[in-house]
Amino acid sequence: EVQLVESGGGLVQPGRSLRLSCAASGFTFDDYAMHWVRQAPGKGLEWVSGISWNSGSIGYADSVKGRFTISRDNAKNSLYLQMNSLRAEDTALYYCAKDIQQWLVKDAFDIWGQGTMVTVSS
Amino acid sequence: EIVLTQSPATLSLSPGERATLSCRASQSVSSYLAWYQQKPGQAPRLLIYDASNRATGIPARFSGSGSGTDFTLTISSLEPEDFAVYYCQQRSNWPTFGQGTKLEIK
Repeated sequence: EVQLVESGGGLVQPGRSLRLSCAASGFTFDDYAMHWVRQAPGKGLEWVSGISWNSGSIGYADSVKGRFTISRDNAKNSLYLQMNSLRAEDTALYYCAKDIQQWLVKDAFDIWGQGTMVTVSS
Repeated sequence: EIVLTQSPATLSLSPGERATLSCRASQSVSSYLAWYQQKPGQAPRLLIYDASNRATGIPARFSGSGSGTDFTLTISSLEPEDFAVYYCQQRSNWPTFGQGTKLEIK
């Protein structure tokens, strides 16, 4: 079964850091670009960051650029998001998502995890 | 950044009716547009990619059309399980999503 499982969310104070992880299974992880997408409570979807299959191409939304860092470990079938200088507006459910087609980096997302909640509050 | 604008914000229809949802891009995205369905408490589900290709397992009542800046998601005959929020997403550049259309039961 193709599956993505996020972890690492929680309650964190403004200005602090948090690292999210996404464990992938059921597909050849290093063939696909991967992404983080977030959804603030009661709001729509916002793409956060994406990384190509070989980490050669990386992109960030303007809202997180310079504060968040995406990475992957293909040997561990894992995706990460290092979040620094967190703000209240970063409060959201963070989803890990997989590209539908191999080898692309900007694509539709056919597999999503169930998300991990990040709450930034003092 | 490519901005996607969805309309209407809310669409009220009855089961069996036809639904037409719109997504307009601030600049051409060619055919690189996808549609997702999201129900409360669930992750989004991919319905359509590259404007008109149904994803695996998606019923034939869902169809997509358009190119350039104007796109449409059509549900030919609404089933009770189709009432949800729908998002469009472009992949012409780094992805962006529309703000969503809520399809509610009339």
